[in-house]
Amino acid sequence: EAGVTQSPTHLIKTRGQQATLRCSPISGHTSVYWYQQALGLGLQFLLWYDEGEERNRGNFPPRFSGRQFPNYSSELNVNALELEDSALYLCASSLVGTGGNEQFFGPGTRLTVL
Amino acid sequence: GQNIDQPTEMTATEGAIVQINCTYQTSGFNGLFWYQQHAGEAPTFLSYNVLDGLEEKGRFSSFLSRSKGYSYLLLKELQMKDSASYLCAVRDDPGGSYIPTFGRGTSLIVHP
Repeated sequence: EAGVTQSPTHLIKTRGQQATLRCSPISGHTSVYWYQQALGLGLQFLLWYDEGEERNRGNFPPRFSGRQFPNYSSELNVNALELEDSALYLCASSLVGTGGNEQFFGPGTRLTVL
Repeated sequence: GQNIDQPTEMTATEGAIVQINCTYQTSGFNGLFWYQQHAGEAPTFLSYNVLDGLEEKGRFSSFLSRSKGYSYLLLKELQMKDSASYLCAVRDDPGGSYIPTFGRGTSLIVHP
């Protein structure tokens, strides 16, 4: 069974540009979560999508947005990029409603803002 | 809000036992997770505790005390490949959000 996949692996942008990151969950998982992992910091929750709807949002500005498609894949968009947006962006998927709600993580997209 | 504390770094010798502690302060509690993350890779699930006590899984065990807001991950018979960051995550889930909050992680270095 294929795991969570993310693309691209690496992304280099300049300040002010826009970045789009993509995630495909494990087959059968309806929930997708986005996290930012900056150097030296823990995983910071960004967004949670389930059944196509945004269910929860972390403490990030509105220029971080996303969506979930009918096939449960998801996209994270970051507008007006700033240098401090440089980080590893991790996507995770899970089955909502199961005990433990273990999250399965993708390999991440390394975003570098110059 | 939530506050999760774990040591930044630990070192141990191959074959030894190491205990990584995690303390948390949350408004509610609905489960504690441990994840392992090797450098440059995605976190992988190790354990989930929701009731007090010890959960054992091979060389790894996880303990929870809800009254003390405390958990630990115990790694036995350490191997070089256990060198990684270990992430403690707590879900307070007062409204069914299912979103765990992660600590900054403990970097474990295993040396020969």
